[in-house]
Amino acid sequence: GEDVEQSLFLSVREGDSSVINCTYTDSSSTYLYWYKQEPGAGLQLLTYIFSNMDMKQDQRLTVLLNKKDKHLSLRIADTQTGDSAIYFCAEEFGSGNTGKLIFGQGTTLQVKP
Amino acid sequence: NAGVTQTPKFQVLKTGQSMTLQCAQDMNHNSMYWYRQDPGMGLRLIYYSASEGTTDKGEVPNGYNVSRLNKREFSLRLESAAPSQTSVYFCASSLRAQEQFFGPGTRLTVL
Repeated sequence: GEDVEQSLFLSVREGDSSVINCTYTDSSSTYLYWYKQEPGAGLQLLTYIFSNMDMKQDQRLTVLLNKKDKHLSLRIADTQTGDSAIYFCAEEFGSGNTGKLIFGQGTTLQVKP
Repeated sequence: NAGVTQTPKFQVLKTGQSMTLQCAQDMNHNSMYWYRQDPGMGLRLIYYSASEGTTDKGEVPNGYNVSRLNKREFSLRLESAAPSQTSVYFCASSLRAQEQFFGPGTRLTVL
């Protein structure tokens, strides 16, 4: 079945770049997503990438997609303490563009001042 | 504009009790979703509803039922709660499949 894997923890210093990695299994996924969860809150969509794209940039966020290796990454430039959160990678499963998502376990990003 | 609201925020049940988690959205979205989040795991889809009057199973539907009461409201029912259903439950809604908006969650403990 479909599966999404992420490393569990990443620690960086404020001002550095953060790179969070994700691998997925369903090569037919049309969209891949990055969500952010702050403590005690629901998830917030950060960005998503269409499967025929290699890269998407949105302000401090860069998403890279390697379809051959089924590898997705999220780079946060100039990481700030407010970026400390759990980041989830997700892919769609099933057909029909329904928004049914499979999530990874989440990567906890710790930003040290 | 409240977005997605969920009630209650916290709930403690005994094994075998039943309860309904409520979710409402005021964004006129067609699709709504129920997820559960367990420690150290990503969210898992329980049920979703593509439009008013329709529901479909997600990854982990066993032990749950849902009702899409109208376009705004999507409820999740536990008929006979089990300790394995201790989790944080999130409701979400979307107009387009690519952008889901999440509620704040309900933290449920089953003793």
